[in-house]
Amino acid sequence: DTEVTQTPKHLVMGMTNKKSLKCEQHMGHRAMYWYKQKAKKPPELMFVYSYEKLSINESVPSRFSPECPNSSLLNLHLHALQPEDSALYLCASSRTPPGQHYEQYFGPGTRLTVT
Amino acid sequence: DAKTTQPTSMDCAEGRAANLPCNHSTISGNEYVYWYRQIHSQGPQYIIHGLKNNETNEMASLIITEDRKSSTLILPHATLRDTAVYYCIVRTLGAQKLVFGQGTRLTINP
Repeated sequence: DTEVTQTPKHLVMGMTNKKSLKCEQHMGHRAMYWYKQKAKKPPELMFVYSYEKLSINESVPSRFSPECPNSSLLNLHLHALQPEDSALYLCASSRTPPGQHYEQYFGPGTRLTVT
Repeated sequence: DAKTTQPTSMDCAEGRAANLPCNHSTISGNEYVYWYRQIHSQGPQYIIHGLKNNETNEMASLIITEDRKSSTLILPHATLRDTAVYYCIVRTLGAQKLVFGQGTRLTINP
């Protein structure tokens, strides 16, 4: 099974709402990633978790709060977002040992609209 | 990571070879060239990677020039399903980050 699943597929939320995006993989990968992709732009890395610990935060605003409750799950908690945060949010996973080339497997993304 | 430059868009006829160029003139000795593609409404998909030798897998071939300043991804018999944005990425060994450039939008025409 080489699938990364993301839920929901689409999400519309107001600026005062709190919502969460969910990502799941069962490939035994110990690295998981969140990317943000605006329309007609390339994906941009937001966060990296390695062995369930946050290893990279690309200076993402605190209204985005990642969580990795176990090795298969990755959440992105959203609070007080702005309309410019509307984008496709992609989750990815990979194996981890350093010094190796492990491809990242991406989910289909959650399309978020902030109204 | 070194910066990459790719053409914004390309067209190719179905059944022909699609050759996608990438310039990475500032690549350093420990950086590898990776290719991913993103089909519309899907997440990116890994295609291939290489250091200095030519590489081939079931999806594509990667040709890297001897000076390593440029490379070409070859899809030998393009199909309509190969229509996608193709990203050339330069990445150091073991790096967790993927830094995507603007990519090339490849359209395969019937």
